[in-house]
Amino acid sequence: EAGVTQSPRYAVLQEGQAVSFWCDPISGHDTLYWYQQPRDQGPQLLVYFRDEAVIDNSQLPSDRFSAVRPKGTNSTLKIQSAKQGDTATYLCASSLSGGNERLFFGHGTKLSVL
Amino acid sequence: QQQVRQSPQSLTVWEGETAILNCSYEDSTFDYFPWYWQFPRESPALLIAIRPVSNKKEDGRFTIFFNKREKKLSLHITDSQPGDSATYFCAAVYQGGRALIFGTGTTVSVSP
Repeated sequence: EAGVTQSPRYAVLQEGQAVSFWCDPISGHDTLYWYQQPRDQGPQLLVYFRDEAVIDNSQLPSDRFSAVRPKGTNSTLKIQSAKQGDTATYLCASSLSGGNERLFFGHGTKLSVL
Repeated sequence: QQQVRQSPQSLTVWEGETAILNCSYEDSTFDYFPWYWQFPRESPALLIAIRPVSNKKEDGRFTIFFNKREKKLSLHITDSQPGDSATYFCAAVYQGGRALIFGTGTTVSVSP
């Protein structure tokens, strides 16, 4: 069974540039999460979906970040105008609904904003 | 405000020793506490988990001790092996199954 797939693996930007991250969850997993993990810190939730619906985006910087999951499968996270403080690894995870179930993480996208 | 706190930030033990990792939380409505481990250049993966109905959960050399009254838990790694060297995250989930909230992590190094 394929795991959670993310692309790209790495991204390097200048401040002000835009970037999109893509995630393909495990087949059949209805819940998809985007976490931001700064260096040497724990993952911090940005947004999560159940099917195509946003369940919680309260930690998503809405002025510059957006996330969609239009068909309840793949998802895209976009940063409109990157800042140096956005430098982090962006992790996508998926699970079956309920929230207590095991999260399966992708390898992440390591973003550097210069 | 960090809702799940961990200590120490880093820990070095010799092979064969027991490593003890601490975790505390604020919100009594958390009802599920998984521990994830993360190896360098890898993503987090589930190691072991406990619910507040239990005060202990064992899986091989890994044991969670849970104190609901004090809102504390700890992960004990007995007979530590160099392959256990990783960062360990304590996490929590609210009743009703919302997203995981991760702690700050403890980096464990096991020296042979």
